[in-house]
Amino acid sequence: GENVEQHPSTLSVQEGDSAVIKCTYSDSASNYFPWYKQELGKGPQLIIDIRSNVGEKKDQRIAVTLNKTAKHFSLHITETQPEDSAVYFCAASFGNAGNMLTFGGGTRLMVKP
Amino acid sequence: DSGVTQTPKHLITATGQRVTLRCSPRSGDLSVYWYQQSLDQGLQFLIHYYNGEERAKGNILERFSAQQFPDLHSELNLSSLELGDSALYFCASTSQGGDTEAFFGQGTRLTVV
Repeated sequence: GENVEQHPSTLSVQEGDSAVIKCTYSDSASNYFPWYKQELGKGPQLIIDIRSNVGEKKDQRIAVTLNKTAKHFSLHITETQPEDSAVYFCAASFGNAGNMLTFGGGTRLMVKP
Repeated sequence: DSGVTQTPKHLITATGQRVTLRCSPRSGDLSVYWYQQSLDQGLQFLIHYYNGEERAKGNILERFSAQQFPDLHSELNLSSLELGDSALYFCASTSQGGDTEAFFGQGTRLTVV
């Protein structure tokens, strides 16, 4: 089955700096790669996703890149703010299994004011 | 608010007992997924239902079962509970299978004592 590795497990940045979280996946059939943000006491919330036919996607301060050949994808957050502090999860899935997501282990991002 | 409702929010029970967790998907969503989030295992897929039918199983123990009812709400039944079953249990819903956004509920925190 699919295996998703996520690094780093914790990341501390100064407000205004950029943060990068990286994930690798094992199953070349995976074609959907969402990123979720989980705040304390809440469920995961989708912040951005990318499909395998696209190499990069951007939404304001958040961007995701995908390298299908190397089977890795990354989340980039620019101009970080204290409210970006949370746990971020990457995930992978392939369409013919519905939206069953295989998650990475999570990254705890701390943005220091 | 994701539109996915989970009850109860918290549950404390003793080892050996049985509990039922309930999930109401977003209006119109046919798919319900259950995930378990524990400190050592991260977010793990348990089971997927689509319009009342089981579609996929993940790392779900035999002591656990689920079902989706005609009104599309779903229940996850956990029996013969062990200390290690203590975790957050999330359900997520999507409008269709494939690479579409999964909306997560707030979760049920189960504590087995």
